[in-house]
Amino acid sequence: ETGVTQTPRHLVMGMTNKKSLKCEQHLGHNAMYWYKQSAKKPLELMFVYSLEERVENNSVPSRFSPECPNSSHLFLHLHTLQPEDSALYLCASSYRDRGHEQYFGPGTRLTVT
Amino acid sequence: GNSVTQMEGPVTLSEEAFLTINCTYTATGYPSLFWYVQYPGEGLQLLLKATKADDKGSNKGFEATYRKETTSFHLEKGSVQVSDSAVYFCALKGGSYIPTFGRGTSLIVHP
Repeated sequence: ETGVTQTPRHLVMGMTNKKSLKCEQHLGHNAMYWYKQSAKKPLELMFVYSLEERVENNSVPSRFSPECPNSSHLFLHLHTLQPEDSALYLCASSYRDRGHEQYFGPGTRLTVT
Repeated sequence: GNSVTQMEGPVTLSEEAFLTINCTYTATGYPSLFWYVQYPGEGLQLLLKATKADDKGSNKGFEATYRKETTSFHLEKGSVQVSDSAVYFCALKGGSYIPTFGRGTSLIVHP
């Protein structure tokens, strides 16, 4: 499969659960990103990994924990989430250079009950 | 820091109408500029881009010109279709590998 893939596509979890979102790209890109997309709100950058650097949005709660074991895989570990964390979580990848666009996955629709 | 400002939506048009979605930016240096589109239930995908001043990006009948003097990158299409209904995001990427996105503009096209 080409492009950026994300699993699962849909996830319903209780507030006490622990789950992980997975993202994979085989485009040779050297930067990977997690975004949160909520209704009526701007796209929110959560984390970026590139060439062993990690950039965090300081407003993201610690109940979200990213992991990037290699340049092709990215995880978002979730624990003790809140209902307001329900959103579409998008993964993206790109080359670092300014002229290169991002490639987005289809997203994981997360519902916290 | 960098910022992107898009017109508020939703933009509602009849089929075959002319479309303009305004985008202005603030950035240091010479960023690249992008328009992405998000169809319902999908992730964002690149629609077009321009990497230097006066470049015109085009794709699927959409166009945008990189205007450095007005710091703008307005999206236009001469005749929209119902299938163009989506959310459109303007974005820039400057010296950092972290892009800046606008808030998105929803387009609704009626038959």
